Amino acid sequence: EVQLVESGGGLVQAGGSLRLSCAASGFTISTYWMHWVRQAPGKGLVWVSRISSDGSTTNYADSVEGRFTISRDNAKDRLYLQMNSLRDEDTAVYYCASNVGSGWFNWGQGTLVTVSS
Amino acid sequence: QTVVTQEPSLTVSPGGTVTLTCASSTGAVSSGYYPNWFQQKPGQAPRALIYSATNKHSWTPTRFSGSLLGGKAALTLSGVQPEDEAEYYCLLYYGGAWMFGGGTRLTVL
Repeated sequence: EVQLVESGGGLVQAGGSLRLSCAASGFTISTYWMHWVRQAPGKGLVWVSRISSDGSTTNYADSVEGRFTISRDNAKDRLYLQMNSLRDEDTAVYYCASNVGSGWFNWGQGTLVTVSS
Repeated sequence: QTVVTQEPSLTVSPGGTVTLTCASSTGAVSSGYYPNWFQQKPGQAPRALIYSATNKHSWTPTRFSGSLLGGKAALTLSGVQPEDEAEYYCLLYYGGAWMFGGGTRLTVL
């Protein structure tokens, strides 16, 4: 079964850091672009960041540029999101998702990040 | 600031047909925006339905179809089922970044 499982969420104080992980099973992520998408409570989906299949290209939404870093370890079929200088508005469920070409495919179940001030 | 716009809410009767649309503030949506559509039910992760405007995933029910219509991306549900009640999001590509629409809450009533 193809599956993405996020972990690493939790409660953190404003200004703090957190590292999210996304583990793939049932497929290898090495041929996929991978993304992080977040959803604040009761709100819509927001694209956060992406990384190319070989890790050489990364892009970020303006709201997280300079604070978040996306990375991957294809040998471990894992995706990461290092989040620094966290703000109240970063509170959300964070999803990882896979993408090939024009198509988005699988999503994880999400991990909740709560930033308290 | 680029904005992707969807209808906030729509209501459809069981067995009916409804079309959801997705517009870009930058102009007409074309295949180059790689429109994707997702369904999200309460408490669940999003599920991919359509990619590249018209292509279905292997798990996408046949009653769902995607198109480009009047400068927008569109998702049409034909023969709506009660289980189709959900939030639907479109996603567009802007050369290095992706952007979701605000979502359409579809009520089946």
